[in-house]
Amino acid sequence: AQSVTQLDSQVPVFEEAPVELRCNYSSSVSVYLFWYVQYPNQGLQLLLKYLSGSTLVKGINGFEAEFNKSQTSFHLRKPSVHISDTAEYFCAVSVREYGNKLVFGAGTILRVKS
Amino acid sequence: NAGVTQTPKFQVLKTGQSMTLQCAQDMNHEYMSWYRQDPGMGLRLIHYSVGAGITDQGEVPNGYNVSRSTTEDFPLRLLSAAPSQTSVYFCASSYSWQGGEQYFGPGTRLTVT
Repeated sequence: AQSVTQLDSQVPVFEEAPVELRCNYSSSVSVYLFWYVQYPNQGLQLLLKYLSGSTLVKGINGFEAEFNKSQTSFHLRKPSVHISDTAEYFCAVSVREYGNKLVFGAGTILRVKS
Repeated sequence: NAGVTQTPKFQVLKTGQSMTLQCAQDMNHEYMSWYRQDPGMGLRLIHYSVGAGITDQGEVPNGYNVSRSTTEDFPLRLLSAAPSQTSVYFCASSYSWQGGEQYFGPGTRLTVT
């Protein structure tokens, strides 16, 4: 079965500093990869997705992620964070032939401090 | 477009009671799904549907039923609520059944006492 590991449960960072949120997945079969953000008491919003093609994916709000097939990783990065980026971030994967059945990681809480 | 809507926002049930969580979307999406969110566990798929009349089980289907009589609606039924079903429930929809962006509703926070 597919699994997703988010290596940090919480990441504190100062405003305007860079940040990386780490994500590893288990399967070596063809997958689609996603990062979602959840602000307090809200639903999830898609930040970015990798379906195929370039391994560097750019998303909304200045975030980007790099797909590394050999390391089965999909780390999320932002060069300079803002207070408004404080939220919980979820990495998710779906196996291509199984459709949109997402398997989520446990989440990483990003706390941006001033 | 209202997107994906869920009702109610909050619900408290006693053990053994039944209820239906409502989900509707106005984007003409074929694919709809239900997830539950528990602290430290991310979201887990309960049931999903690839179109009207077609549903299937996800990772944690026990204790839940679904049906899909229209494209727009995908209700989730709790047959006999248990404290283990205390969670936040999210409905999601997608235009494509494969690789498409899933749009999430605002969630229903359910407490079973």
